[in-house]
Amino acid sequence: DVQLQESGPGLVKPSQSLSLTCTVTGYSITSDYAWNWIRQFPGNKLEWMGYISYSGSTSYNPSLKSRISITRDTSKNQFFLQLNSVTTEDTATYYCARGLNWVFAYWGQGTLVTVSA
Amino acid sequence: DIQMTQSSSYLSVSLGGRVTITCKASDHINNWLAWYQQKPGNAPRLLISGATSLETGVPSRFSGSGSGKDYTLSITSLQTEDVATYYCQQYWSTPYTFGGGTKLEIK
Repeated sequence: DVQLQESGPGLVKPSQSLSLTCTVTGYSITSDYAWNWIRQFPGNKLEWMGYISYSGSTSYNPSLKSRISITRDTSKNQFFLQLNSVTTEDTATYYCARGLNWVFAYWGQGTLVTVSA
Repeated sequence: DIQMTQSSSYLSVSLGGRVTITCKASDHINNWLAWYQQKPGNAPRLLISGATSLETGVPSRFSGSGSGKDYTLSITSLQTEDVATYYCQQYWSTPYTFGGGTKLEIK
């Protein structure tokens, strides 16, 4: 069965970049589906951030478009999130998720990223 | 962006009872609506897609309905394991957006 696992620093300083990795096992990210990043803020609001498709195309939430980049390493079956110029408002639990028709059936366990000096 | 509004942040229901959670979109979303269940410390779990289609393994006491802008998630014969927060999500148009969540508690 497909499994997703997020990894990366738990603490990032304001104005720096946040970088996370999602490692996928049990399914090739080049076979099908869209591979997404979703975050959940303190207070539990969920925000879809963007995806990279199995073909390598990307789509981003316009609210983040100038700061976000999603890339991949197909040899390692991983995809990545980079969010630039972070502020304390980017403190959240970050999830990677597999999407079919923009419904998210498989999620990682999530990783908490705190933005603080 | 399409805004998703769950009017009830909290609902208190008796064990064995029935509960209906509502979700209203700011525009028509043509049944492109999913429901998720989230328990503390866990990622959301997909329950329903296409407004009414139950995912494999989801108990039949869960059901979804609605059309246009207005959708509901119903749970009958409430069990203790149903205590969770429930979110709706529209995928009619990007950016895909979620409701603010409805936390279910046992009365």
